[in-house]
Amino acid sequence: SQQGEEDPQALSIQEGENATMNCSYKTSINNLQWYRQNSGRGLVHLILIRSNEREKHSGRLRVTLDTSKKSSSLLITASRAADTASYFCATDGETSGSRLTFGEGTQLTVNP
Amino acid sequence: DAGVIQSPRHEVTEMGQEVTLRCKPISGHNSLFWYRQTMMRGLELLIYFNNNVPIDDSGMPEDRFSAKMPNASFSTLKIQPSEPRDSAVYFCASSPRQYQPQHFGDGTRLSIL
Repeated sequence: SQQGEEDPQALSIQEGENATMNCSYKTSINNLQWYRQNSGRGLVHLILIRSNEREKHSGRLRVTLDTSKKSSSLLITASRAADTASYFCATDGETSGSRLTFGEGTQLTVNP
Repeated sequence: DAGVIQSPRHEVTEMGQEVTLRCKPISGHNSLFWYRQTMMRGLELLIYFNNNVPIDDSGMPEDRFSAKMPNASFSTLKIQPSEPRDSAVYFCASSPRQYQPQHFGDGTRLSIL
């Protein structure tokens, strides 16, 4: 079953705006990861945040994690048309080994 | 560095036929994963290997599916006999060690008629 649930399912913004995507999960986790998938391609890892971290940055990406609410957010600042893709969160649990459970994804469209 | 290489990229076959999907992980990566992606069910883990040993195959749908990893540089996912409901995109991914980010291939788009 899908543990992660992304919100919103689809997001359309203008180039230069910020995009925020949210992810909720159900069970305790070791790590939470965000991946991007361009149409017709495989997933690409963006960022990993550990359960004892609250915020992480990588370039234009900012990820937050709130383990008390079992939720995470991905913020993309100053979006570009090339950011158009589906974004997935994935969790690995304390008892699931390397098994990642992916959410259903958010389809982001950045209009030029 | 070459990424994860999957073949074929596309496969169209009739139901009842055997299908073999192939994957070459990134050299030096110890963990290998097979996923299936559909609109209805999203991305599902089928099986993963660590050091060529299957660790978790609880996602394999049924006995028609089997996966092998005879060595560190090659894995196969076989469906026999195939059914139309097996139509999906199948991804292979590898990671340096357990719990590390995964690197995905570009997938095999499988259509069973």
